[in-house]
Amino acid sequence: NFILTQPNSVSESPGKTVTISCTRSSGSIASNYVQWYQQRPASSPTLVIYEDKQRPSGVPDRFSGSIDSSSNSASLTISGLKTDDEADYYCQSYDNNNRLFGGGTKLTVL
Amino acid sequence: QLQLQESGPGLVKPSQTLSLTCSVSGGSMSSSRHFWGWIRQPPGKGLEWIGSIYNSGSTYHNVSLRSRVTMSVDTSENQFSLKLSSVTAADTAIYYCAREEVATSWYFDLWGRGTLVTVSS
Repeated sequence: NFILTQPNSVSESPGKTVTISCTRSSGSIASNYVQWYQQRPASSPTLVIYEDKQRPSGVPDRFSGSIDSSSNSASLTISGLKTDDEADYYCQSYDNNNRLFGGGTKLTVL
Repeated sequence: QLQLQESGPGLVKPSQTLSLTCSVSGGSMSSSRHFWGWIRQPPGKGLEWIGSIYNSGSTYHNVSLRSRVTMSVDTSENQFSLKLSSVTAADTAIYYCAREEVATSWYFDLWGRGTLVTVSS
């Protein structure tokens, strides 16, 4: 199995753009889709990106996902930051019937 | 709108078995596109996948927990269940049930609110 590594925390100001990375330790990032979840304090996670770059219904287009084979990583980009975006964000992928989560990134909007 | 709700004891003694049930309402568990999964989150820590079960009863488990995990499904009652044996304090966590989309990728598109299970004597 592989490990998904995320930065512990990122911070940015309202209205700005922030990118959160998720690096796969072995195997190609393009081999298996990557998903992203948002978890606000005291709430359960919600899906914000699936299949690398697809947005579920109801998720604003300020949220976008991508993968970069050169760095073997996936990224979640949030533009036009709002204070309501302050949350923990987790990437997730799978391999050999296992589902794997990254360690999570705390986004602070200040 | 489909909803999931976890239920079970909030306190389990060390070495005993943790038992949780997830009740699915507002829809059927019979879809071929979905598995039904369990994910946990120790206080202040990240998410850990425990396992997933199909409506036929086929299961996949996290390798690190496999020997202690038992999952079952009852589609007639629209419920699925988790048993985790020989628990220790390290199993203290919020336990979530979730619907897992498996048609083209594997991801959790609907989550329950979670239930806190504390392992303590």
